[in-house]
Amino acid sequence: GENVEQHPSTLSVQEGDSAVIKCTYSDSASNYFPWYKQELGKGPQLIIDIRSNVGEKKDQRIAVTLNKTAKHFSLHITETQPEDSAVYFCAAKEAGTALIFGKGTTLSVSS
Amino acid sequence: SQTIHQWPATLVQPVGSPLSLECTVEGTSNPNLYWYRQAAGRGLQLLFYSVGIGQISSEVPQNLSASRPQDRQFILSSKKLLLSDSGFYLCAWSQGHTGELFFGEGSRLTVL
Repeated sequence: GENVEQHPSTLSVQEGDSAVIKCTYSDSASNYFPWYKQELGKGPQLIIDIRSNVGEKKDQRIAVTLNKTAKHFSLHITETQPEDSAVYFCAAKEAGTALIFGKGTTLSVSS
Repeated sequence: SQTIHQWPATLVQPVGSPLSLECTVEGTSNPNLYWYRQAAGRGLQLLFYSVGIGQISSEVPQNLSASRPQDRQFILSSKKLLLSDSGFYLCAWSQGHTGELFFGEGSRLTVL
């Protein structure tokens, strides 16, 4: 089955800096790679996703890149703000299966 | 619009007691339903998923079970809780296996 590794487990940045979180996956058949943000005491919410036929996707200050050959994908947050502080999860899946998540990255943005 | 409700929000139970967490989805039909557990340092662990009434797939062997008595209702149960069952349990739904996963607000279980 799929296995997703996520690094780093914690990340501290200054407001305005960029943050990068990286994930690797094991199943070459996986074709969907979402990123979720979880605020304290709440359920995770989708912030951006990418499918295997795309190499990069942007949405304002966040972007995701995918390298299918190397089986890794990354989340990039630019111009970080205190409200970006949360736990971020990457995930991967192939068609017809359930999402498998990484262990999460706790991002702290200090002002 | 679709909504997902999960309850109770918090639960403190003694070891050996039973458990029932409930989840319902509104505004959609025939959703895929999921139970995940979030333990400290272990991320989101898939426990069960269901593609239809009475159809349950178990991902992790344990003393928990799931049932889907109605199309939009998903229940997580245990006959006898263990200390290791403590955690944050999240119900989620998707339309088929291809789309976005929508999570409930979670149920925090503490087993003492």
